[in-house]
Amino acid sequence: GEQVEQLPSILRVQERSSASINCTYENSASNYFPWYKQEPGENPKLIIDIRSNMERKQIQGLIVLLDKKAKRFSLHITDTQPADSAMYFCAASEDYAQGLTFGLGTRVSVFP
Amino acid sequence: DMKVTQMPRYLIKRMGENVLLECGQDMSHETMYWYRQDPGLGLQLIYISYDVDSNSEGDIPKGYRVSRKKREHFSLILDSAKTNQTSVYFCASSAGLSNERLFFGHGTKLSVL
Repeated sequence: GEQVEQLPSILRVQERSSASINCTYENSASNYFPWYKQEPGENPKLIIDIRSNMERKQIQGLIVLLDKKAKRFSLHITDTQPADSAMYFCAASEDYAQGLTFGLGTRVSVFP
Repeated sequence: DMKVTQMPRYLIKRMGENVLLECGQDMSHETMYWYRQDPGLGLQLIYISYDVDSNSEGDIPKGYRVSRKKREHFSLILDSAKTNQTSVYFCASSAGLSNERLFFGHGTKLSVL
């Protein structure tokens, strides 16, 4: 199986600054790394993902970096806004037909 | 409308009672999942279903079983519920056999007393 470690568990950032969340995985065969955002009382929603044939992906203010040698991937939220306050989960998978293994989550709070 | 619907949203049961959680999706997705979410433990995969009557254990299947008789419906059954099964249960679906872009329902908060 796979194990995913996610840090930090809590992150407070000032509005308009950047927020960074780091995840590491154990299985070198893992090749798909999505990030989900969950707002209070809501369901998790996919916000960005990256496959192992890429090192960097950006969608608007979200950047994902993947370092396969270190088995590490990270999410960077640039120019944070109050709407970015939520739980963020990273995940990994080695087989497209398997379920995702999630990290424990990071609670991000953006303050004025 | 691209929706995963879970019923009920809240459920209180006594230890030893049977529990049925239902999930439906309107996207004709082949693959469906059941996860549970506990504070400090994140989302853990209970079962995965690749289509009707094609189900596979996830990471924590003990104490649960599933049923998928129609592509759009996936049920989670707890026979004789235990207090440690108190949790929020999420159903999800994805297109084809791929785990890309899971669509989650809004969850069922189950309390077993």
